[in-house]
Amino acid sequence: EAQVTQNPRYLITVTGKKLTVTCSQNMNHEYMSWYRQDPGLGLRQIYYSMNVEVTDKGDVPEGYKVSRKEKRNFPLILESPSPNQTSLYFCASSLERGYNEQFFGPGTRLTVL
Amino acid sequence: TQLLEQSPQFLSIQEGENLTVYCNSSSVFSSLQWYRQEPGEGPVLLVTVVTGGEVKKLKRLTFQFGDARKDSSLHITAAQPGDTGLYLCAGDPFSGTYKYIFGTGTRLKVLA
Repeated sequence: EAQVTQNPRYLITVTGKKLTVTCSQNMNHEYMSWYRQDPGLGLRQIYYSMNVEVTDKGDVPEGYKVSRKEKRNFPLILESPSPNQTSLYFCASSLERGYNEQFFGPGTRLTVL
Repeated sequence: TQLLEQSPQFLSIQEGENLTVYCNSSSVFSSLQWYRQEPGEGPVLLVTVVTGGEVKKLKRLTFQFGDARKDSSLHITAAQPGDTGLYLCAGDPFSGTYKYIFGTGTRLKVLA
């Protein structure tokens, strides 16, 4: 089954404790993104990747890191999480940038205390 | 910077009514997409519009892309409770980057 998987689905952590949210897709897609969704603000792009080893900042990259060592995986790293990073996070992939459909993972609800 | 403004933000209507959701920008987009999101799930694509002036129909949903490719609308005819959800427009603006932008969203509730 073609899908985007994210883990964990739910995470409660404390300020400053490094964490990684994994994202994997099995569709051989080139373009992958991370978004955060907050009430009233819609989905905002954190980072995106055009292909392996090619990543760039979205609109809200501060406090986040990403890597794209393999085509299928695009982990999101929070080196020192803070309460303002409490949010719902989505990973997405598409065949390429542009008007190709973006496929979303199920979301990760992160709470930073 | 939010490049896509949606209106209205919230909409509560009775079953059988018609409605229109708007997605506006000051930037030109190469294409615009409409997604629908249900609680606890990721957005799912409804349609992509590419050509200025393009109109696409998906059963009771009609999507239009503005002639200048800066705006789009979603019209639902005879809304049903199953149409309830969060509607999002999105696209990639001609910005010199490869960013993908989402609108602020319209939360629709259709009452039986």
